[in-house]
Amino acid sequence: SQTIHQWPATLVQPVGSPLSLECTVEGTSNPNLYWYRQAAGRGLQLLFYSIGIDQISSEVPQNLSASRPQDRQFILSSKKLLLSDSGFYLCAWRDRGNNEQFFGPGTRLTVL
Amino acid sequence: AQSVTQLDSHVSVSEGTPVLLRCNYSSSYSPSLFWYVQHPNKGLQLLLKYTSAATLVKGINGFEAEFKKSETSFHLTKPSAHMSDAAEYFCVVSLYNFNKFYFGSGTKLNVKP
Repeated sequence: SQTIHQWPATLVQPVGSPLSLECTVEGTSNPNLYWYRQAAGRGLQLLFYSIGIDQISSEVPQNLSASRPQDRQFILSSKKLLLSDSGFYLCAWRDRGNNEQFFGPGTRLTVL
Repeated sequence: AQSVTQLDSHVSVSEGTPVLLRCNYSSSYSPSLFWYVQHPNKGLQLLLKYTSAATLVKGINGFEAEFKKSETSFHLTKPSAHMSDAAEYFCVVSLYNFNKFYFGSGTKLNVKP
């Protein structure tokens, strides 16, 4: 069966510090991968999606970036965090054999 | 363009009474539609999906939704609410190529004892 991992589960960072959030998927090959952000009281905003290694599409201009160095690894990064980067970050994958998205447990990021 | 509108940001029901969470969509193509549930500080769990088969879709935990093309709606219902149903619910539309999923703003369901 497939499993999706995200870490860390929670993170508190000062403004201006760097960020690296990692997402890995097990039990599937060549999935589509997604990063979403959920701000307090708001819906999910798609940040990035990837259809393959080193193939990243950015949905919203911002100071975040994403990379996919391996087939089942998706990393969200920032060089300098802003207060507005606080939120709940969710990674998701989609198996090309069907059209369902499966979500990871999320990372709660607080920027102070 | 594709979009999803969840008509109610908050819904409150009493335990044992019916639940109705409303969702309208717009899509230039035949859409796939989903409902997800999110409990506090958790990831999202798929409740049910519509992908051009039967218009009445049954999901987990007694939920179901009906796709009505003429009304561009995909409302989520449950005959009898349970306390454990209290959560946030998201309606999602996806295009035929499925690379993108568009989320509604969410509806928080409160279930009163």
